[in-house]
Parts: sequence; structure tokens; C-alpha cells
Amino acid sequence: TQLLEQSPQFLSIQEGENLTVYCNSSSVFSSLQWYRQEPGEGPVLLVTVVTGGEVKKLKRLTFQFGDARKDSSLHITAAQPGDTGLYLCEWNSGGSNYKLTFGKGTLLTVNP
Amino acid sequence: NAGVTQTPKFRILKIGQSMTLQCTQDMNHNYMYWYRQDPGMGLKLIYYSVGAGITDKGEVPNGYNVSRSTTEDFPLRLELAAPSQTSVYFCASSAPRGPNTGELFFGEGSRLTVL
Repeated sequence: TQLLEQSPQFLSIQEGENLTVYCNSSSVFSSLQWYRQEPGEGPVLLVTVVTGGEVKKLKRLTFQFGDARKDSSLHITAAQPGDTGLYLCEWNSGGSNYKLTFGKGTLLTVNP
Repeated sequence: NAGVTQTPKFRILKIGQSMTLQCTQDMNHNYMYWYRQDPGMGLKLIYYSVGAGITDKGEVPNGYNVSRSTTEDFPLRLELAAPSQTSVYFCASSAPRGPNTGELFFGEGSRLTVL
């Protein structure tokens, strides 16, 4: 059974610092999605990565997909309190069955 | 734009009671999902469906049942509620996954407490 590992599980930083969170697996992802969830809300899609080595930017957020498509990272530059939330990676573990599963997430707190 | 609608938003059950969480989507998505989320944790897949009449187990299906009689509706049934089922439940739907498609759209969640 392929597992989706996210690290770190918790991260508390000061406003203005940079950070990176990771999503790793022992097997190859066909694609991977990153979501952010704020308290009391459902997750909201940030980005989809598909191609090995791919880099996507969303304002201060940079997403990378590993060359072998077994890992991905999310880097936030100059974090702000509004970045606080649970960051989740999600992948299709069921092939054509679209069994979409999530990692445990990284709970980020950005302190003013 | 309704998207994914879940009801109820809050519910308190006694041990052994049963209930159904309702989920409906108006985006004509074939794929629908039920997840549960415990405090501070990620989402665990309970059941999912790839179309009307087709359902399959996710990671944590025990104690739950689903049905998918229409494209729009995907109710989740809890039989004999237990304290371990206290959680927030999210329903989600998506179109087929591609480079720029397949985003999961979530409902607002249903907070269930079993006492």
C-alpha cells in the first residue's frame, strides 16, 4: 500500500520567515494536488503538478514536483499570518478508479 | 452557485443511534467522495463513487454505508453510532482528473458528535 507522507506535521514561525513543507511517497505519482484548509472550512485547491521537475508559482508560494514524481515540496517566501492553515497534499491512489486520498497535512501557524 | 451542499451542519447523536448525512452537487460531477477529519489531522477517505450506481470503500469504511442512485446525490449512512465516529465529515465532488481539471470541490462540512 502506497503511503503519502507529509512533513513536518506542525510548523510555527514568525511573520516574514521562509518555510518549506514536503510530500513524499515510495511510489510514483501520476499527479499531485496541494490544498490549503482554514479552520472551519473545506480544503481549497492551490495547485496541481503533473510533470516531473515541474515548478509552479502562486504569488509567494512555489511548488515543485520531483523529477521522479515521488515527492513534492511547497515553499512559502516571507510568510504572512494569512498563510496560516493546514496544507494538504492529495493524490489519486486508485488509478482509473479515482480513489483520491490525502496526507496527514502540515499545520502551519504564522505569528505576527 | 451552490456547488456541494451538505446537511446537517451540526448533529449530536447518542451511542447506537443512526443517521444519514446528505450531500448533493449541482456541477454534474461523476466523482463524489466522503471524508472524515479529526482535529488537527488530514482527511481520511470513507467511501467514494465514480458514477451513479457505483460505490467503493476508501481507507476507513467500517461503520458507514453509502448509496449513489443519482449523479447529484451521495448520502452517507451511519449505523449504530459510536464515540469513535465523532468527527467533521466532508463531502466532495470532482470532474475527471487532468492537468488542469479534477479539482475536488468540498462542502462546508458536517460536525458530528456521538455521546
